[in-house]
Amino acid sequence: DAGVIQSPRHEVTEMGQEVTLRCKPISGHNSLFWYRQTMMRGLELLIYFNNNVPIDDSGMPEDRFSAKMPNASFSTLKIQPSEPRDSAVYFCASSSQGVTGELFFGEGSRLTVL
Amino acid sequence: GDSVTQMEGPVTLSEEAFLTINCTYTATGYPSLFWYVQYPGEGLQLLLKATKADDKGSNKGFEATYRKETTSFHLEKGSVQVSDSAVYFCALSEYGANSKLTFGKGITLSVRP
Repeated sequence: DAGVIQSPRHEVTEMGQEVTLRCKPISGHNSLFWYRQTMMRGLELLIYFNNNVPIDDSGMPEDRFSAKMPNASFSTLKIQPSEPRDSAVYFCASSSQGVTGELFFGEGSRLTVL
Repeated sequence: GDSVTQMEGPVTLSEEAFLTINCTYTATGYPSLFWYVQYPGEGLQLLLKATKADDKGSNKGFEATYRKETTSFHLEKGSVQVSDSAVYFCALSEYGANSKLTFGKGITLSVRP
């Protein structure tokens, strides 16, 4: 079975550019999560969706960040404009509602903003 | 709010040594508790879980017991291997919280031959 698929795996961009990260959750999972991982702050939950609806976006750092889930098999996390402090590994994870806490993570997208 | 506190790292052990990684939590309700592991260059994977007090989760030789009285969920392994080198995260999820996990900061374990 295919796991959570993220793209790109690595992205290097310049400050001010738009960045779009993509995620395909596991088929049949109805919850999707975006996390950010840095050395300084560890793992931070940015936003999560249930049945394609955003439930909690309190972790989104600021208006430069936005996330969408247009259907059950695709989500994007967009940063516009990007800044060097956005450099991190961004993880997407999915889970099946009713199976508490068992998240399946993608391999992550490593973003470097110069 | 909910929080998870892990012991400071990193931890370096020799192969076959005994491992304990401490984890304590703060929660308002009755959380489920988890250990996740992250191998180099990969995403996190669920290692084990416990959903109620006194439950013991186990997997791959690792164990952790849900201790409500001490609000702890310490991870143990009797004999570590080089392949156990990874980052270990303790996490909790409140009942009915739609699988939303609160993670600790993680601790890096290095096992030398």
